[in-house]
Amino acid sequence: AQSVAQPEDQVNVAEGNPLTVKCTYSVSGNPYLFWYVQYPNRGLQFLLKYITGDNLVKGSYGFEAEFNKSQTSFHLKKPSALVSDSALYFCAVRDGGSNYQLIWGAGTKLIIKP
Amino acid sequence: GAVVSQHPSWVICKSGTSVKIECRSLDFQATTMFWYRQFPKQSLMLMATSNEGSKATYEQGVEKDKFLINHASLTLSTLTVTSAHPEDSSFYICSAPSGSPYEQYFGPGTRLTVT
Repeated sequence: AQSVAQPEDQVNVAEGNPLTVKCTYSVSGNPYLFWYVQYPNRGLQFLLKYITGDNLVKGSYGFEAEFNKSQTSFHLKKPSALVSDSALYFCAVRDGGSNYQLIWGAGTKLIIKP
Repeated sequence: GAVVSQHPSWVICKSGTSVKIECRSLDFQATTMFWYRQFPKQSLMLMATSNEGSKATYEQGVEKDKFLINHASLTLSTLTVTSAHPEDSSFYICSAPSGSPYEQYFGPGTRLTVT
């Protein structure tokens, strides 16, 4: 069965420090992987995706993610965190052979402290 | 990028009444739209897949007679919560895939409170 795991409910990082939000996945075929961010009482905003190609994907707002096939991971990273990065982050995966339906992780709350 | 709007952004209604939520793709056509429900501090739960010109496909455990979905055109899908109860209070989000098969665009969400 397809699944996505975000093992951390919350991640706390000091402003200016690097941040990592973890995501692991399980799909039967080639994975299409996504990161979305949600600010309070708002819809989701697309950050980045991995479909194929370079394992390091760069996205919006200075975020990047690394696809690791052997570890079935797609961790979200940023070299230097900003207070404004504080939000809820969701990892999602789609089986390449399926329709557009996404399988969602539980979400990780990212708190950046000044 | 592609834009998806939702209306209303928030609504308060009394128990027993029905509420309609609209989801529109503003600058692209969407033959498929997704409806999600999100509880506080939780992930998105897919409720149903809305298909233009045909019946919606509901996820297991979602009452189709309670959550009526109509995909009337290539730019509009509606979700009607019928005979709403307080437990239906939630944040409802719609999304639509754009021309690229890899991305979904999300509406800003509708906060429903049933009193």
